[in-house]
Amino acid sequence: AQTVTQSQPEMSVQEAETVTLSCTYDTSESDYYLFWYKQPPSRQMILVIRQEAYKQQNATENRFSVNFQKAAKSFSLKISDSQLGDAAMYFCAFDNYGQNFVFGPGTRLSVLP
Amino acid sequence: GAGVSQSPSNKVTEKGKDVELRCDPISGHTALYWYRQSLGQGLEFLIYFQGNSAPDKSGLPSDRFSAERTGGSVSTLTIQRTQQEDSAVYLCASSPRIQALGETQYFGPGTRLLVL
Repeated sequence: AQTVTQSQPEMSVQEAETVTLSCTYDTSESDYYLFWYKQPPSRQMILVIRQEAYKQQNATENRFSVNFQKAAKSFSLKISDSQLGDAAMYFCAFDNYGQNFVFGPGTRLSVLP
Repeated sequence: GAGVSQSPSNKVTEKGKDVELRCDPISGHTALYWYRQSLGQGLEFLIYFQGNSAPDKSGLPSDRFSAERTGGSVSTLTIQRTQQEDSAVYLCASSPRIQALGETQYFGPGTRLLVL
């Protein structure tokens, strides 16, 4: 069974600085997708970024980028120029054949003014 | 609607009562998912629907939990004889297709259930 681990329960970053959130996973599959979702206090889960395992290039969405290391089964999220609105829970997720997502336990990110 | 909606937003009930949680997916989305998020925890997968069919119900925590979907649209998650450990946020998500690798799931705002 797939598992997803996020080893940082909480992180903080100064506004305008850069922060990296860690995620590792375990799977025996060769082709899969990984996602980062953001959950602000409103509870609404919002897609941040996704990565296909077969793509060598790391995905990027504006200030958000990933460092995908397939051999190490690592999928970290880098947030550049952090903004107050980035404060939220961040969840790493593994796409289990499109049937369901396996989520990590989450990292709570605080952004300090 | 434009996004996934869930009702009620919050529900307080007494132990032993039954509750129904509703999910309206994005129009045209074939796949629908239910997850449970306990306080401060990650998301626990409960069940998914492909159209009106739920091929695998093994994720439901107990036989007090059931779910159905009608008309390929609205889904209801029912919890019978609620227990305090059922207190959690129940999240619904939908996606255009089922078993399509890499398909983004679009989430609703969730229903916060509190069992007293």
